[in-house]
Amino acid sequence: QLQLQESGPRLVKPSETLSLTCSVSGDSTTNSDYYWGWVRQPPGKGLEWIASSIYGGIAYYSPSLTGRGTVSLDTSNNQFSLQVVSLTAADTALYFCTRHHARPPYNFDSWGQGALVTVSS
Amino acid sequence: QSLLTQPPSVSGAPGQRVTLSCTGGSANIGTGYDVHWYQQLPGSPPKLLIYKNTIRPSGVPDRFSGSKSDTSASLAITGLQAEDEATYYCQSYDSSVTGWVFGGGTTLTVL
Repeated sequence: QLQLQESGPRLVKPSETLSLTCSVSGDSTTNSDYYWGWVRQPPGKGLEWIASSIYGGIAYYSPSLTGRGTVSLDTSNNQFSLQVVSLTAADTALYFCTRHHARPPYNFDSWGQGALVTVSS
Repeated sequence: QSLLTQPPSVSGAPGQRVTLSCTGGSANIGTGYDVHWYQQLPGSPPKLLIYKNTIRPSGVPDRFSGSKSDTSASLAITGLQAEDEATYYCQSYDSSVTGWVFGGGTTLTVL
């Protein structure tokens, strides 16, 4: 059974960089049937897909990240990570790591429990 | 503003039937991309409820059903139960942003 677990600092200062890691068990990040991605949820608001990557392929990013994000796969440790630079309070959110299908139907089938990241000085 | 539009809230009495809508456009649902539905209970990650417009994953009660037509989709819940109180999100793929999109979510209240 697939399990995803987020880890990383939960309090980050404005203008600094968010770094989150997702540890994967039950599948391999080299599985190119799936994207490994991140979805965030600001407090009290809805879900927003922000970034995904796939083994042997390219990464995709939401326009809302405005070029500030990087998602990468660490296949040796079966993990993937998210970095977002130049943080503002608007980046405060619950960040979920996810797995989603690389071909139709393109749904998300697994989620981590989420990591609440607060951007504050 | 989301590329998929959902009403913010809907309510119904126990035992009733409710329908949640998801309206998209020509770059997502209207192009033929599938619609998926997720249920999120407070404090929990989303759970896949319906995928590929109409298919229920194993373990999802048949009280939940999905449909899709033109540029919109719907989630119907029959025999409403208190445990159905949650926020429901639709999701698809959008070619204009080359990425995956979620609706803003509909919060269901069981009266």
